[in-house]
Amino acid sequence: AQTVTQSQPEMSVQEAETVTLSCTYDTSESDYYLFWYKQPPSRQMILVIRQEAYKQQNATENRFSVNFQKAAKSFSLKISDSQLGDAAMYFCAYSRGSNYQLIWGAGTKLIIKP
Amino acid sequence: NAGVTQTPKFQVLKTGQSMTLQCAQDMNHEYMSWYRQDPGMGLRLIHYSVGAGITDQGEVPNGYNVSRSTTEDFPLRLLSAAPSQTSVYFCASSFSGSSYNEQFFGPGTRLTVL
Repeated sequence: AQTVTQSQPEMSVQEAETVTLSCTYDTSESDYYLFWYKQPPSRQMILVIRQEAYKQQNATENRFSVNFQKAAKSFSLKISDSQLGDAAMYFCAYSRGSNYQLIWGAGTKLIIKP
Repeated sequence: NAGVTQTPKFQVLKTGQSMTLQCAQDMNHEYMSWYRQDPGMGLRLIHYSVGAGITDQGEVPNGYNVSRSTTEDFPLRLLSAAPSQTSVYFCASSFSGSSYNEQFFGPGTRLTVL
């Protein structure tokens, strides 16, 4: 069975600094996708960034980028120039290529210090 | 577009009561799903549907029923509420074809069972 592990229950960073959130996953599949979702205090789940496993190039979305290490089954999220609005729970999630079901990590609470 | 809407936002039930959580989307998405979110855990899939008239079980289906009579609506029924069903419930939808497609989430329903 596939599993997703986020080993950092909480992280804090100074505003304008860079922070990296960790995620590891376990799968025997070759066709899969990885996602980072953000959940602010409003509870709304928002897609931050996604990665296709067959692509070697790391995905980037403005200040957000990933470090995808397929052999190590690692998928970390880097947030550059942290802003107060980045404070939220961040969830790593996995899905198989032909299956829409998302498997989620337990989340990392990100605190931004002004 | 309203996106994915859920009603109610909050609900308190007594053990043994039944109720239906409503979910609707106006994006013509084929895939819809229900997740529950418990403290310290990632989201867990309850039921999902790949189109009108088609539903299937996820990871934690016991105690819940679903049906999909239209593309737009995907209600979740609690047959006989139990305290273990106290949770936040999220409905999500996406286009089918690939699990890489972004899943859009509703604002959630916080359910308390006394």
